[in-house]
Amino acid sequence: DAGVTQSPTHLIKTRGQHVTLRCSPISGHKSVSWYQQVLGQGPQFIFQYYEKEERGRGNFPDRFSARQFPNYSSELNVNALLLGDSALYLCASSLWHSANTGELFFGEGSRLTVL
Amino acid sequence: QQQVKQSPQSLIVQKGGISIINCAYENTAFDYFPWYQQFPGKGPALLIAIRPDVSEKKEGRFTISFNKSAKQFSLHIMDSQPGDSATYFCAASSRGNTPLVFGKGTRLSVIA
Repeated sequence: DAGVTQSPTHLIKTRGQHVTLRCSPISGHKSVSWYQQVLGQGPQFIFQYYEKEERGRGNFPDRFSARQFPNYSSELNVNALLLGDSALYLCASSLWHSANTGELFFGEGSRLTVL
Repeated sequence: QQQVKQSPQSLIVQKGGISIINCAYENTAFDYFPWYQQFPGKGPALLIAIRPDVSEKKEGRFTISFNKSAKQFSLHIMDSQPGDSATYFCAASSRGNTPLVFGKGTRLSVIA
């Protein structure tokens, strides 16, 4: 079975641009979460979606938005990119809406560089 | 505000030795404590997890020790191998729609 797949794997943008990152969860998983991992730091929670509804939002500005589609895939959008948005963006899927109930399966991430 | 504090930041261990990574938390509502392993260029992968109703959990060479009163938990890697060289993250969450909160990570290098 395929794991969590993310695209693109790497991308370079300039300040002020917009970026869309995509994620396909493991088949059967209805929950998708997004995390930002800055170099040398642990992942930081951005959003969680379960059954196409937003179930949680981390401490990120409104420039960050996301959605989940009927097939449970998800997009993360970031507007007006800043240099500080350079990071590895990780998507994680799980069976249930709560991280407390079991394992999060992470994709390999999308490495965003903002110049 | 860092909710999960992890130490050390980096660790070098001889092959066959014991690697120990420590984490501390403040939020007493946390009741799920996983450890994730991340290799370069890969996403984190669950290694082992514990809930506070037990003080220790062992899976193969990996053991979590949990001290509820001290609000601390640690990962022990016995007989450390070069293939264990990776970054390790502790994390915590509580019941309900709460996300995982990660520590800053420990870069482990196991040398022959």
